[in-house]
Amino acid sequence: GESVGLHLPTLSVQEGDNSIINCAYSNSASDYFIWYKQESGKGPQFIIDIRSNMDKRQGQRVTVLLNKTVKHLSLQIAATQPGDSAVYFCAEKTSYDKVIFGPGTSLSVIP
Amino acid sequence: EAGVAQSPRYKIIEKRQSVAFWCNPISGHATLYWYQQILGQGPKLLIQFQNNGVVDDSQLPKDRFSAERLKGVDSTLKIQPAKLEDSAVYLCASSLGIRGARTDTQYFGPGTRLTVL
Repeated sequence: GESVGLHLPTLSVQEGDNSIINCAYSNSASDYFIWYKQESGKGPQFIIDIRSNMDKRQGQRVTVLLNKTVKHLSLQIAATQPGDSAVYFCAEKTSYDKVIFGPGTSLSVIP
Repeated sequence: EAGVAQSPRYKIIEKRQSVAFWCNPISGHATLYWYQQILGQGPKLLIQFQNNGVVDDSQLPKDRFSAERLKGVDSTLKIQPAKLEDSAVYLCASSLGIRGARTDTQYFGPGTRLTVL
């Protein structure tokens, strides 16, 4: 079955530095991935998505990279701010429109 | 635009008791989802509605969990009887419901934190 997982459960970065959160997936047929941000006491919030026909997509201060060869994707946050402190989930959206979440990485920003 | 509303925000019950959660999706959203999020894990889909019909309930423990969306708008999720392992945050999400549109974004409510003692 499908599964997505993250390399590190926690990550601490200095304010102003760049953050990189990694994720691996198992199904080589997976073709659509989403990154979510979940702040304490709130539901997950869509950040950015990427289809398998792309290897990079950029948003505001965020970039997602997809390496289909090794089944790996990453979320890069530029100039990390205190407001970026949250749990980040990579998720796969299956061909049946079902979203499967990974376990999450907790990002802490050190002022 | 108002977001997804859920109530209550917190609930504490004893095992074997019953509990119900309510969700009001974003206006005009045809698809509604209930997720269970155990502490330290990602959300897991319990049930998905398209209007008032069930699309996917394969992960719903049907011996104790039930959900309905009678008029295709609000939804309730019920647990009867509750077990200790049901302690989790129950998240409701909604989306426009464009079938086959991979970019149909899900919007999540704040969740209900359930503690079963």
